[in-house]
Amino acid sequence: AQTVTQSQPEMSVQEAETVTLSCTYDTSESNYYLFWYKQPPSRQMILVIRQEAYKQQNATENRFSVNFQKAAKSFSLKISDSQLGDTAMYFCAFMTDSGYALNFGKGTSLLVTP
Amino acid sequence: DTGVSQDPRHKITKRGQNVTFRCDPISEHNRLYWYRQTLGQGPEFLTYFQNEAQLEKSRLLSDRFSAERPKGSFSTLEIQRTEQGDSAMYLCASSPPGTSDYNEQFFGPGTRLTVL
Repeated sequence: AQTVTQSQPEMSVQEAETVTLSCTYDTSESNYYLFWYKQPPSRQMILVIRQEAYKQQNATENRFSVNFQKAAKSFSLKISDSQLGDTAMYFCAFMTDSGYALNFGKGTSLLVTP
Repeated sequence: DTGVSQDPRHKITKRGQNVTFRCDPISEHNRLYWYRQTLGQGPEFLTYFQNEAQLEKSRLLSDRFSAERPKGSFSTLEIQRTEQGDSAMYLCASSPPGTSDYNEQFFGPGTRLTVL
C-alpha cells in the first residue's frame, strides 16, 4: 500500500513571498505519478501540478514548481510570488501507473496574508 | 464546457435512512471516480467506473454502499441505513479516454452528507 504524508497541517505566508509545502510518500513501485491538488474554501479541487516518476526534471507550472527527490521519496511544492488567491488546502497525491485511484495526504492549509 | 456536477450539494438525513447522490461527469469523459473526504483528511478512493463497468472498489465501500453508472454517463452513489460515521463530503471526478498513461481527474464540488 502507498502512503502519503504531509507533515505541515497549516502554513502561512505573506503576499509576494515564497513558500514550500512538504510531502513524503512510501511505495515499492518504480513507476508512478505524483500530484499537488488545491482545494480553495468551498470550491472544488483542481490540479496544480503533476510529476511523472520516470522524469528526472522537476515539473514547473508558472509560479508553482516541485522538488522531486525520488530516492528520498520526497515531493515538495514551491509557490513563488504568493497571491491571496493561493489561500487553500493543498493535497499531495500519489497514483501508480497501473492504477486509477489517487492516494491523498491529509493536506496542508495555506493562508496567504496581505 | 461545464465541469463535473453533483447533486445535491448538501444532504442532511437521520441515521438509518437511505440516501442517493448523483454525479454528472464532463461530457465525453468515460472514466468516473467516487471519493470520500472526512473532516481534516484527504479524499479517500471509493470506486472507479470505465464507461458502465465498475472496475475497482475500495474496501471502504461496505455492503451498505452501492454505485452505478447504468448508461456510462451519470453515476449514482447510494448509502443504505446511514450511520453517523458516513458523514463526509462525497466527491466525484471524471477523466477523459485516451491512450496516455495518465488522464487528469477533474473533480466536482462534492455532496456534503450529515447524518444526525
